[in-house]
Amino acid sequence: AQTVTQSQPEMSVQEAETVTLSCTYDTSESDYYLFWYKQPPSRQMILVIRQEAYKQQNATENRFSVNFQKAAKSFSLKISDSQLGDAAMYFCAYRSAKGGGYRASGTYKYIFGTGTRLKVLA
Amino acid sequence: GAVVSQHPSWVICKSGTSVKIECRSLDFQATTMFWYRQFPKQSLMLMATSNEGSKATYEQGVEKDKFLINHASLTLSTLTVTSAHPEDSSFYICSARGTAIYYGYTFGSGTRLTVV
Repeated sequence: AQTVTQSQPEMSVQEAETVTLSCTYDTSESDYYLFWYKQPPSRQMILVIRQEAYKQQNATENRFSVNFQKAAKSFSLKISDSQLGDAAMYFCAYRSAKGGGYRASGTYKYIFGTGTRLKVLA
Repeated sequence: GAVVSQHPSWVICKSGTSVKIECRSLDFQATTMFWYRQFPKQSLMLMATSNEGSKATYEQGVEKDKFLINHASLTLSTLTVTSAHPEDSSFYICSARGTAIYYGYTFGSGTRLTVV
């Protein structure tokens, strides 16, 4: 079974600085997706960034980028130029890419980490 | 972008009554809906997965008769908490997968249930 581990329950960063959130995972699959979700106080889950395992290039979305190390099964999130609005819970998630077709099964469910609470200091 | 509307956003009910939570995909067809429960300061716990027109698949430890899931159409899935008790008080979130090859699922805004 796949597992996702976020070893940092809480992190703090000064506004405009850079912070890196860690995520490691365990899987025997070779094809999968990895995600970072943000959950602000409103509790709406917001997709921050995604990475396909078959892509060697690290994904980037504006101030957010990942360091994907497939062999090490590591998927860290770097937030540059941190803003007050970045304060939230961040969840790392794994999803199998196995199979396909119209009907999804439990194979397609997310495996979430326990989350990291990010505080941004003014 | 894909939107999932979840209602109600919060509900208070008396112990012993049932509560229904709805999730609607507004601009895409949700072939699969995932229902989660989240306790304060914790991660999302998957309760069940439902495919349109099929019976839901429940995770181990989740009571099927207490948490009834219906996914009768490609745009609507419901979670009914039957005979609710205070220990069912929690935050419930749905997440939808479309027919296209989406890389990320769309989450509803969540429902805070308080049973008194």
